[in-house]
Amino acid sequence: QSALTQPPSASGSPGQSVTISCTGTSSDVGGYNYVSWYQQHPGKAPKLVIYEVNKRPSGVPDRFSGSKSGNTASLTVSGLQAEDEADYYCSSYAGTNNVFGTGTKVTVL
Amino acid sequence: EVQLVESGGGLVQPGGSLRLSCAASGFTFTSLWMHWVRQGPGKGLVWVSRINSDGSSTSHADFVKGRFTISRDNAKNTLYLQMNSLRVEDTAVYYCARGGGYAYGGLDPWGQGTLVTVSS
Repeated sequence: QSALTQPPSASGSPGQSVTISCTGTSSDVGGYNYVSWYQQHPGKAPKLVIYEVNKRPSGVPDRFSGSKSGNTASLTVSGLQAEDEADYYCSSYAGTNNVFGTGTKVTVL
Repeated sequence: EVQLVESGGGLVQPGGSLRLSCAASGFTFTSLWMHWVRQGPGKGLVWVSRINSDGSSTSHADFVKGRFTISRDNAKNTLYLQMNSLRVEDTAVYYCARGGGYAYGGLDPWGQGTLVTVSS
């Protein structure tokens, strides 16, 4: 049950795009189309922004998009805004358990 | 309004026990999977346990197997996490989160969390 691998940090200027990767194995990310992404602001509970690889919950801006290729999933935030500065975590269903990524801190320059 | 409210956290000595509760409202609790996720101080999110809608199927992360037990009381719309043989490394904020109709659903929403501190 090793954590999924994410880059520790990513950054971009307002209006630009940032893409975060999430690398697992064929037992989790690669084996199922059940990758979710969560946004967490300091001191707050996480919030779901993407589920089932590329679906957005109601109320999440379409600036957030997800994709997957093989054992790696990605989250792209387009048109970066100041409020997008937060920690982002991926998560995958893995059959008998679920697993989260190591987390990526996104900084808006 | 969908709401999850955790309680039961606190300070406990190593080897001790705690039972966390998560009171759910604003949705049909009896139809959905529920999860516990924890976050150590300054650390990332770690999945702990999940339970299906009627409580007949549970799963736990390896590091809590045999020590933690997830359960639910659908008559009270409440989720539980019984934590025994607590270790210093179990210190974390524990969140409950609503899943979907299947084990693989995204978690939405999350409660505000309850802090568990294991220390002598």
